[in-house]
Amino acid sequence: DTAVSQTPKYLVTQMGNDKSIKCEQNLGHDTMYWYKQDSKKFLKIMFSYNNKELIINETVPNRFSPKSPDKAHLNLHINSLELGDSAVYFCASSPAGGENYGYTFGSGTRLTVV
Amino acid sequence: GENVEQHPSTLSVQEGDSAVIKCTYSDSASNYFPWYKQELGKRPQLIIDIRSNVGEKKDQRIAVTLNKTAKHFSLHITETQPEDSAVYFCAADNDYKLSFGAGTTVTVRA
Repeated sequence: DTAVSQTPKYLVTQMGNDKSIKCEQNLGHDTMYWYKQDSKKFLKIMFSYNNKELIINETVPNRFSPKSPDKAHLNLHINSLELGDSAVYFCASSPAGGENYGYTFGSGTRLTVV
Repeated sequence: GENVEQHPSTLSVQEGDSAVIKCTYSDSASNYFPWYKQELGKRPQLIIDIRSNVGEKKDQRIAVTLNKTAKHFSLHITETQPEDSAVYFCAADNDYKLSFGAGTTVTVRA
């Protein structure tokens, strides 16, 4: 049983398209995150949700919209995709707000915009 | 916000030798410091963590030390093996999120 699962694993799309990435965790964690890992491997937080409520939005363009229908799911919708959006997007979860607890990461979604 | 700096960016060691990665952080309120290992094409995985009330923690061949006064922490890997080759990230918690260092690519030469 995968603890944090993301779909799809790979996504190749043209500039200007809209796409979604889904994430689900079966760990019973309260908090979920989206991180972006660029070509230099840097991991940067985008969003954090605690019990379906947005608690962190790190100056991400409005084209990115997270949605959490329940605390086990956090999806990411991206409008009008740009070349610079190409990266690996990781979903993660933690027991309680992340403080003093490590994250469990999903396997990542490699997004390529052409 | 929290700023985590990590050095070196790349590290090549002979199998059996030790590897040391160092990180500094800026926010004195941070009190949780995990380390992640990411193999090529895989997800980051937690390998060890330390909380601010502890100065050192060890788990088999890996150990982490923390100096809260100086705001730096380090990862030590002893008796390195080829399977230790990966990218290692340090992180510090701040305002309910983890801020990551830029990563260290460790290569263990056979």
